[in-house]
Parts: sequence; C-alpha cells; structure tokens
Amino acid sequence: QQQVKQSPQSLIVQKGGISIINCAYENTAFDYFPWYQQFPGKGPALLIAIRPDVSEKKEGRFTISFNKSAKQFSLHIMDSQPGDSATYFCAARTRKNTGFQKLVFGTGTRLLVSP
Amino acid sequence: DTEVTQTPKHLVMGMTNKKSLKCEQHMGHRAMYWYKQKAKKPPELMFVYSYEKLSINESVPSRFSPECPNSSLLNLHLHALQPEDSALYLCASRRQGSNTEAFFGQGTRLTVV
Repeated sequence: QQQVKQSPQSLIVQKGGISIINCAYENTAFDYFPWYQQFPGKGPALLIAIRPDVSEKKEGRFTISFNKSAKQFSLHIMDSQPGDSATYFCAARTRKNTGFQKLVFGTGTRLLVSP
Repeated sequence: DTEVTQTPKHLVMGMTNKKSLKCEQHMGHRAMYWYKQKAKKPPELMFVYSYEKLSINESVPSRFSPECPNSSLLNLHLHALQPEDSALYLCASRRQGSNTEAFFGQGTRLTVV
C-alpha cells in the first residue's frame, strides 16, 4: 500500500530553535520526495526536494535528511522564525513503472514558531 | 513565469447550480492536476491530465467533470454538488521528467450551500 506517515501532527518551537518533522514510507515504489509549505488559505508551495540516492540536501535554513534503508526522511528548519509558522507536508512521488506518477502526501504538521 | 493561476479565488454555489473552476499555466508543463483539500488535511488527488488526455480519475463522482482544452488550460466543471464538496480545490502542473516538481496554484475556496 502506498502510504506516507508524518509526525508530529503539530509542533511548537521557539524563535531561533530547530524544527524537526519526520516522515516514513512503507514500500519502495517512490522515486522523489518533496516537502511543501502551506499557509492558511493558500496552495502548497514547494520548499525542498530530494532523490533517494542522496542522503542529505540543504537549502538555506532547510535541510532534508534521507535514510533509504530505514525508509525515513525528515525536514530540519534551522533558526526557526515566526514567518515559518505554516503547515508542512512531506510527499513521495510514485515511480514511473507503477503507472502514471502521482504524489502521495503525508498527513501534515502544523508548525508554530513562537516569538 | 512560474505561476499556476486559478480563478475564481472564492466561489459560493447552490446545490442546483452549474459552475466552473479555471486553471492556467504558461510554463509549458504537460501534466496538470486537480486536487481537493479539506481543512487540516492533505490534498487528495482527483484527476490527472497528461498531454491534454485524462490519465487518472481517482473515482471522483460524476458531478465533477474535468476538461483540458489546451496545454495551458484546465477546467473543472461542477454540477449538482453537495455541501460536503465544500473544500479548497487546487490545481497543479508539472514538467514531465524525473527530477521535476509539481507547482500548485493558490486554490479556489468552494462553498456549497
């Protein structure tokens, strides 16, 4: 079954702290792992993405860590700011050989960064 | 231009109305998607178009009818909706290829009364 489990459901972090969101998947039918950030009333915006042959990718304050053997990946937000307060979705894209590619989303994490 | 534009931003319709949602992109993307998102939930895939042909229909009720008139435009025709269809409807597009991401529009907030 194609599923992506995400935790925690919600997270409160102090300004300047590190926010960590974790995701896990259950099979190997995925070939690309993006993270999306969504503000209330807006569409999801791509934040950062990683391929499974890479263990870490960093873009500014955002880092994805990927553990292929454990089928887990996580998002780290360094020096968290109040403007980072949003809902974060991890996602996994199905492989082309499984049919037409589509994104499977995690359940989302609501992040609140307190001033 | 990296935008996916959706209109209208908000829509209120009665259960007997017919309305349409519109999505436009000029990035040359040949895969376009409709998603439905309820509050505090992830987006749920409804339809996928690839090269203007319907590739995926995720068992969506026939009161939702997608249309892709050309490579830049995607419509979602709505008819006889129910109050539980109220949600944020998101359009997304993606360039075909292995390391390409989906870009989402801002969505249409639909309320069925």
